[in-house]
Amino acid sequence: EAGVAQSPRYKIIEKRQSVAFWCNPISGHATLYWYQQILGQGPKLLIQFQNNGVVDDSQLPKDRFSAERLKGVDSTLKIQPAKLEDSAVYLCASSLGTSGWNEQFFGPGTRLTVL
Amino acid sequence: AQSVTQLDSHVSVSEGTPVLLRCNYSSSYSPSLFWYVQHPNKGLQLLLKYTSAATLVKGINGFEAEFKKSETSFHLTKPSAHMSDAAEYFCVVSDQGTYKYIFGTGTRLKVLA
Repeated sequence: EAGVAQSPRYKIIEKRQSVAFWCNPISGHATLYWYQQILGQGPKLLIQFQNNGVVDDSQLPKDRFSAERLKGVDSTLKIQPAKLEDSAVYLCASSLGTSGWNEQFFGPGTRLTVL
Repeated sequence: AQSVTQLDSHVSVSEGTPVLLRCNYSSSYSPSLFWYVQHPNKGLQLLLKYTSAATLVKGINGFEAEFKKSETSFHLTKPSAHMSDAAEYFCVVSDQGTYKYIFGTGTRLKVLA
């Protein structure tokens, strides 16, 4: 089966610019996650969707980050305006459901560099 | 609240020797635990998972982990390291209430020829 797709793979922007990332989950997966992975750290959950509804966005810096999942499939994560500390890898993951036994499948990530 | 601690940030082994990556967890409930591997510029891949069945869990590529409740540990092992095992390894606990993944800080495994 096809895995989780993400684009772009790399992005370099200057601070205060805007950027958007795209994610296409595995077909049939109801749950979609966006993580931020800063160099040397484990991934941190930013937002979790169940179909097209938000389940958890408690760690999302809502003053600059936004995310949507139209029609319960693809998702976009936007940063506006970007700060230097937003430099990180942004990972998208999907799973069939939300139980503790459901494995999350991860995409390759988008590496963002903010100059 | 659930948490995981990976006791070593870096581990170096020689090719053909055993691998031990240590993980301790904290959980008020019976946890779901996972090990993921991340190769450079690649996504995270599941190695194995524990979900309250057998305490010795076998995963892909010869890895296994043993759930020890008395020690609150879930260490990852492999009898013989291969060069292709060089990567970052993450121990993960699934929060019992929300099922959110809580990641450890990672262990970078280096395999020496």
